[in-house]
Amino acid sequence: QVQLVQSGAEVKKPGASVKVSCTASGYTFTSYYMHWVRQAPGQGLEWMGIINPNGGSTSYAQQFLGRVTMTRDMSTSTVYMDLSSLRSEDTAVYYCARGRSKWELDYWGQGALVTVSS
Amino acid sequence: EIVMTQSPDTLSVSPGERATLSCRASQSVSSNLAWYQQKPGQAPRLLIYDASTRATGIPARFSGSGSGTEFTLTIGSLQSEDFAVYYCQQCDNWPTFGQGTKVEIK
Repeated sequence: QVQLVQSGAEVKKPGASVKVSCTASGYTFTSYYMHWVRQAPGQGLEWMGIINPNGGSTSYAQQFLGRVTMTRDMSTSTVYMDLSSLRSEDTAVYYCARGRSKWELDYWGQGALVTVSS
Repeated sequence: EIVMTQSPDTLSVSPGERATLSCRASQSVSSNLAWYQQKPGQAPRLLIYDASTRATGIPARFSGSGSGTEFTLTIGSLQSEDFAVYYCQQCDNWPTFGQGTKVEIK
């Protein structure tokens, strides 16, 4: 069965960076895009970007340009999301999610809470 | 950016009744729309894609309709497990989500 397992919760200080991992299993890793979506406490869903594990090409939402980097490791079927220059507003649960065809998200990781606090 | 607006923000429904949720796009997204269900403490779950196609394992009481800028998610007869927050997402351009509709027990 398809599974996306994410790394654990993190606490970071303002200005720091965080790297969240997402390890896929149960399907061919390179056959599906992977997305990152975040959700601030009590708020809605915000799309951050997409990576094509087959080749590693990426596209990021405008509001994250310059601060986010998505990468993948084909040997471990893992994608990574690196967010820099953290501020308190970045406190959120970060989800990875598989793109069914490209944009619809059919499988989600369990989420990783990132708390930014001084 | 395509803005997605859902209505109402909260819908109070009795178990067994029908629920109708709306989603409007700021410009046409054709049929490139998905619906998700999210329960507290859980990741979202894909319900509907291509505006009207149920995802794998989704019960038939969930149905989607619409195209262009106006979309509807209908839950035919609400079960206890259906009380949750529902989000629409346009998949026509860089994805954006609606703000969500909370379906609560009346």
